[in-house]
Amino acid sequence: DVKVTQSSRYLVKRTGEKVFLECVQDMDHENMFWYRQDPGLGLRLIYFSYDVKMKEKGDIPEGYSVSREKKERFSLILESASTNQTSMYLCASSLLGRVEKLFFGSGTQLSVL
Amino acid sequence: GENVEQHPSTLSVQEGDSAVIKCTYSDSASNYFPWYKQELGKGPQLIIDIRSNVGEKKDQRIAVTLNKTAKHFSLHITETQPEDSAVYFCAAASNNAGNMLTFGGGTRLMVKP
Repeated sequence: DVKVTQSSRYLVKRTGEKVFLECVQDMDHENMFWYRQDPGLGLRLIYFSYDVKMKEKGDIPEGYSVSREKKERFSLILESASTNQTSMYLCASSLLGRVEKLFFGSGTQLSVL
Repeated sequence: GENVEQHPSTLSVQEGDSAVIKCTYSDSASNYFPWYKQELGKGPQLIIDIRSNVGEKKDQRIAVTLNKTAKHFSLHITETQPEDSAVYFCAAASNNAGNMLTFGGGTRLMVKP
């Protein structure tokens, strides 16, 4: 089975801190994604990567950046965390492309105080 | 861009009854419609998907129907069981949106034993 592992289940940070969310997948998938999940808003795409060092902005990239130095690892970076970035963050990977058969991690619940 | 609306936001059924979740989409070029199930404490998992050249698809107790003319698609769960309790997300993908998934807001399904 594909496994997508997110480094933290819960994270509490202070406003202005630099935050790193890490994600690792073990199935050699080309495509990796970072989504944000908020009640009533569903999942919204922050960033997408289709190859090492390649990235594309999603629907809500403002305030975020990403890093993909190795194929299996995709990091989401909040340069200066703000309270409106309190949310559940989900990492996903896929083999077939940008939309098909996404495999999600269990999520990181980030609270910015 | 694509907009996906999902109804209802919460749904409570008795075990053994059927459950129906409906989604509408705005972009007539959308051609791929997956459904994801998210159990408590876990990431979403793909349960069924349908393409625009197919009107209906079934997998055991779950089925998805697509009406391209009306731009809506639905998830049908028959003979519901307590383990069907979860949050369900519909999504749509359109080439016009860079071929990325746009998710609905989610439906919390509760199956009462």
